Amino acid sequence: KAGVTQTPRYLIKTRGQQVTLSCSPISGHRSVSWYQQTPGQGLQFLFEYFSETQRNKGNFPGRFSGRQFSNSRSEMNVSTLELGDSALYLCASSPGNGNQPQHFGDGTRLSIL
Amino acid sequence: DQQVKQNSPSLSVQEGRISILNCDYTNSMFDYFLWYKKYPAEGPTFLISISSIKDKNEDGRFTVFLNKSAKHLSLHIVPSQPGDSAVYFCAAENSGGSNYKLTFGKGTLLTVNP
Repeated sequence: KAGVTQTPRYLIKTRGQQVTLSCSPISGHRSVSWYQQTPGQGLQFLFEYFSETQRNKGNFPGRFSGRQFSNSRSEMNVSTLELGDSALYLCASSPGNGNQPQHFGDGTRLSIL
Repeated sequence: DQQVKQNSPSLSVQEGRISILNCDYTNSMFDYFLWYKKYPAEGPTFLISISSIKDKNEDGRFTVFLNKSAKHLSLHIVPSQPGDSAVYFCAAENSGGSNYKLTFGKGTLLTVNP
C-alpha cells in the first residue's frame, strides 16, 4: 500500500514569493492534515481537511492556506514568504473518523533566502 | 501553553535493556494518544496508540501505558535495539470532540548503544 507522498521534497524561495506544496494521501484516506516542524517550536498543526472541507485550523496567519480536491489530494499555499517560514512541512492522512492514527509523508523542506 | 510535554530531551540505553520514554499532558479533553518515531530526513512513523478507555496497549516490543489520573503516558521498548535509535514523539488528540488535530511533545532522542 503506497504511503503519503509529498512533493517537492526540497524547495528554495526568496522573501515575498509564494509557494504551493502538494500531498497525496494513502488510498482510501479522506482526511489530510498539515504540520510545520521547526527546531524551536517542534511540530505544530496548520489545518485539517476532510471531504474537501476544512474542519480544523491552527494558530497560523492567513498567509497559510490549503485546499483539498475530490480525490482527497491536498495542497498547501504560503504567500508573501518570510524568513521564519523556513521549516519542514509535513502532511499526514487518516481515514478521518477519529481514534485512528495519522500517517505522515516525508515532508517538504522549505528554505527561504 | 505546552499541552503535551516530554521532559527528557534525550535518553541513552544499552542494547537489550528496556527503554522507557515518558510524556505528560495537561488537557483533560485528550482521549487518544500516539507515539511516533522519527529518523532524520524522514517523516514521523506511527508506532503505537492508546485510547483513553484503556490503560495499556501492547504491540510486539512496544507497550504504551496510560495513567489518566496523573495525565501521564509512557512507552516501553523491550528489548531495545540499535535500530530503535531515533527521536520519539508523543502526541494527543481530542477525537471525541471531533477535534482531529494532533498536539505533539517536543520529542525525546533515544540512543541505543550496542
